[in-house]
Amino acid sequence: GAGVSQSPRYKVAKRGQDVALRCDPISGHVSLFWYQQALGQGPEFLTYFQNEAQLDKSGLPSDRFFAERPEGSVSTLKIQRTQQEDSAVYLCASSLTGLATDTQYFGPGTRLTVL
Amino acid sequence: GDSVTQMEGPVTLSEEAFLTINCTYTATGYPSLFWYVQYPGEGLQLLLKATKADDKGSNKGFEATYRKETTSFHLEKGSVQVSDSAVYFCALNRNTGNQFYFGTGTSLTVIP
Repeated sequence: GAGVSQSPRYKVAKRGQDVALRCDPISGHVSLFWYQQALGQGPEFLTYFQNEAQLDKSGLPSDRFFAERPEGSVSTLKIQRTQQEDSAVYLCASSLTGLATDTQYFGPGTRLTVL
Repeated sequence: GDSVTQMEGPVTLSEEAFLTINCTYTATGYPSLFWYVQYPGEGLQLLLKATKADDKGSNKGFEATYRKETTSFHLEKGSVQVSDSAVYFCALNRNTGNQFYFGTGTSLTVIP
């Protein structure tokens, strides 16, 4: 694929529901990142994978948030028992290597609204 | 902890005006610095980057120089166009660990 894709683009959930957000990184990219972007703010780091290994999950706000990348390609961010404060745009990014100097390529995001 | 502070917007300029968006950072070690841009209805795109002190990143007429002595990475363009209207984000990536720290974004509107 040409770029990072995310699905769904929009998700509305009732408070307490579980949601799953999908990210397809650029083919061959080793590293994958999830960010949360609140309205009017910059993206905030959630978690980072290198291949299938989750190397950093320090940004996940609570144990309701869980991410996986079982085969080192597609990743899923799962939010259990959604709360209104989870409403945000969730961005996925990938980079070719694991180097911090590497460019991260961002997907269009999934806008989650929790009612 | 590591952080990025960028000038608040919104910024409104006339076409062909000079643009500066200030960005300063706090980080341990020697981070890499980035400017990302988000055009209306689109995702974040890399605009330019610099990976060590005194490096200058440039793209599409935009420039930014990595100044370690002032911990700054200000974005400049000599003559803005209407098509430059977007939100601009300054970001850093520590060279230990691998996560971006973004500023809050600066909205730029260029009027004809």
